[in-house]
Amino acid sequence: AQSVTQLGSHVSVSEGALVLLRCNYSSSVPPYLFWYVQYPNQGLQLLLKYTSAATLVKGINGFEAEFKKSETSFHLTKPSAHMSDAAEYFCAVSNSGNTGKLIFGQGTTLQVKP
Amino acid sequence: EAGVVQSPRYKIIEKKQPVAFWCNPISGHNTLYWYRQNLGQGPELLIRYENEEAVDDSQLPKDRFSAERLKGVDSTLKIQPAELGDSAVYLCASRITRGSIGEQFFGPGTRLTVL
Repeated sequence: AQSVTQLGSHVSVSEGALVLLRCNYSSSVPPYLFWYVQYPNQGLQLLLKYTSAATLVKGINGFEAEFKKSETSFHLTKPSAHMSDAAEYFCAVSNSGNTGKLIFGQGTTLQVKP
Repeated sequence: EAGVVQSPRYKIIEKKQPVAFWCNPISGHNTLYWYRQNLGQGPELLIRYENEEAVDDSQLPKDRFSAERLKGVDSTLKIQPAELGDSAVYLCASRITRGSIGEQFFGPGTRLTVL
């Protein structure tokens, strides 16, 4: 079975500060990993995905994540937070098959203070 | 390119009433998903369609939930009768092809409130 744990349901940073959102996964097969962002009253938008190529993945809006197999982690980072980054962030894992079934974490709310 | 369309965006009903949600996926996307997102939680898969075939409905509460995708395009999710615990956001997503690690595109969701 696959699962995702997001450490910290709320993260608060100052504008311009480093953003670090933590995600650990559990999977018995090589995983595919995703980060999605959800703005209020909107659907989820893909930020980036890891699909067994480069372990450091760059996404949209300046976000990136590093796959660390030894730590079963896929943390999301951004060097400098913008006010517009305030949203809910979800980490998700999928198996290597072709179903595309996503297992989501519980989400982390990012607050950006001026 | 139009995104995934869902309607209605909001729905308030009394318990024991029926309710239906509609989803139109991105054109050409043969895989369609319905998710339920409870407050403060991540989405959970209810059902997955490949064209018109429901290939994974193991998480769908079949005593009160039903879904259809008759022509392999748009889809309807129904709850009858609704219970208080059904209050959630119902998300529809679509993907271009089976057999690839394609991105799932999500619609804005339908926020259901059961009173």
